[in-house]
Amino acid sequence: QVQLQESGPGLVKPSETLSLTCTVSGGSISSYYWSWIRQPPGKGLEWIGYIFYSGSTNYNPSLKSRVTISVDTSKNQFSLKLRSVTAADTAVYYCASWVGGDSGYDYWGQGTLVTVSS
Amino acid sequence: SYELTQPPSVSVSPGQTASITCSGDKLGDKYAFWYQQKPGQSPVLVIYQDTKRPSGIPERFSGSNSGNTATLTIGGTQAMDEADYYCQAWDSSTGVFGGGTKLTVL
Repeated sequence: QVQLQESGPGLVKPSETLSLTCTVSGGSISSYYWSWIRQPPGKGLEWIGYIFYSGSTNYNPSLKSRVTISVDTSKNQFSLKLRSVTAADTAVYYCASWVGGDSGYDYWGQGTLVTVSS
Repeated sequence: SYELTQPPSVSVSPGQTASITCSGDKLGDKYAFWYQQKPGQSPVLVIYQDTKRPSGIPERFSGSNSGNTATLTIGGTQAMDEADYYCQAWDSSTGVFGGGTKLTVL
């Protein structure tokens, strides 16, 4: 069974870059697509983007100019960078996996709260 | 950009049937997915490809999708089903979530 674990700073200053890593265990990072999804406190889910192990990516158009998702197959990890953050980027950030095509997200990390504040 | 619309809240009495809708332009031409999220927990996939249940999801959860509306139906709703429910679809390989529906069992 695939397990996902997010890690990274819980506090980021405005205008700086939010960086998170998701470590994959129980499965090969070459077998799935890997996504980041966030949820502001008390609000709904927002899709950020995905990466395949080959490096192909797709991002939410509303965040595309600020987001980079990358993968490190040697470490079985993938990462999120979100630049020029503001308070509106405060959220619980989840990493999740899907098998691609017309499938849903079957594995999720526990989520990590990132607060943007000076 | 593609949008999915859900009612903010739905209430149901224990043992009754709850229906949660998700609307989007020609949503029936896409697959709909449904997630259950309880407070403080990560979302859980309860319906995929409109009607299919992942292993471990009770049979009382079912789904349909036609026209512009997908529907999650919970038959014989139990107190443990009280949660937020989110629909999701793919639009040109971009993921889209509905705003979520809070299901109250009272």
